[in-house]
Amino acid sequence: EADIYQTPRYLVIGTGKKITLECSQTMGHDKMYWYQQDPGMELHLIHYSYGVNSTEKGDLSSESTVSRIRTEHFPLTLESARPSHTSQYLCASSAKGNTIYFGEGSWLTVV
Amino acid sequence: GDSVTQMEGPVTLSEEAFLTINCTYTATGYPSLFWYVQYPGEGLQLLLKATKADDKGSNKGFEATYRKETTSFHLEKGSVQVSDSAVYFCALIGGSEKLVFGKGTKLTVNP
Repeated sequence: EADIYQTPRYLVIGTGKKITLECSQTMGHDKMYWYQQDPGMELHLIHYSYGVNSTEKGDLSSESTVSRIRTEHFPLTLESARPSHTSQYLCASSAKGNTIYFGEGSWLTVV
Repeated sequence: GDSVTQMEGPVTLSEEAFLTINCTYTATGYPSLFWYVQYPGEGLQLLLKATKADDKGSNKGFEATYRKETTSFHLEKGSVQVSDSAVYFCALIGGSEKLVFGKGTKLTVNP
């Protein structure tokens, strides 16, 4: 079992609110990732990090931002949420060259 | 760039039927190959993996063999159960060290 945790699991917020989705892992993995999953199931990489103070944008453009101040923590922030941000967000981590493990996901609904 | 193509669903089977979900890939070098499973309302769980040609990954009765000559990694199970109902994703990690997913195949097993 992988030790990677996401909070909140479910969130409903109003348009224009700022939100942060938390992701933590206790495995000491250098690499961490955020994926967005659309209603059609497809997964899109939106951010990744290869270590502390390293962040990169993924393959799908996203208005969210991330930070990596500590190895174990990789939060994702939306400064002003919109209904188009409604989605499931999956956090993941891996050691170098190894399997990527996922958290249980955060379901975000913006009304 | 790297890509994964998997059989489109949905797939509906009766309990104890044989399952095959096709997956082919395009990648430079020698990628690692994975199958992930997503149960309703949950994140992704690693089901099995293979890291070199002719390796067979197996778990919970599921199997997949890394076939370099056909660039394939088809998922099989001899006798499915209702509890296997989920979405299955084929994926690879290539030279970019980012996980590239197929679009997912939804499996429903009826009693």
